[in-house]
Amino acid sequence: GENVEQHPSTLSVQEGDSAVIKCTYSDSASNYFPWYKQELGKRPQLIIDIRSNVGEKKDQRIAVTLNKTAKHFSLHITETQPEDSAVYFCAANSGAGSYQLTFGKGTKLSVIP
Amino acid sequence: EAGVVQSPRYKIIEKKQPVAFWCNPISGHNTLYWYRQNLGQGPELLIRYENEEAVDDSQLPKDRFSAERLKGVDSTLKIQPAELGDSAVYLCASSTPRSGAGELFFGEGSRLTVL
Repeated sequence: GENVEQHPSTLSVQEGDSAVIKCTYSDSASNYFPWYKQELGKRPQLIIDIRSNVGEKKDQRIAVTLNKTAKHFSLHITETQPEDSAVYFCAANSGAGSYQLTFGKGTKLSVIP
Repeated sequence: EAGVVQSPRYKIIEKKQPVAFWCNPISGHNTLYWYRQNLGQGPELLIRYENEEAVDDSQLPKDRFSAERLKGVDSTLKIQPAELGDSAVYLCASSTPRSGAGELFFGEGSRLTVL
């Protein structure tokens, strides 16, 4: 089955700096890679996703890049704000078109004012 | 539109006791998932339903866990008997039919503590 590794497990940045979270996956047939944000005690919520037919996607201060050859994808947050503090999870589906997502272990991002 | 609703939000039980969780997905979402999230970990899929049919339950510990989705809407997840290692947050999610995978809409979760 799919295996997703996520790094780092914790990340502290100064407000205004950029944050980068990296994930690798094992199943070369995976074609869907979402990122979820989970604030303390809250539900995970999708913040951005990318499919294997594109290499990069941006949404305001958030961007995701995908390298299919190396089987890794990254989340980039620019101009970080205190409200970006949360746990971020990457995920990959288990094979092309699969509805089953395998999640990484999460990255706790702390933005220091 | 109302989101995914779960209850109870919190449950504390002693080991060997039974427990049940309930989920009401977003109206019109025919795919429903139960995930388990251990402390400091990502969600792990337990079971996926397409309407009332369980199409992926390979990760569900069938000796003590059971789930049902009558009429293809609400779902319940039951644990009997509960063990100490079952302490976790049980997340329900739903999604719409799309070509390939798509966004999951999660509920707030049911936090289970087994003493």
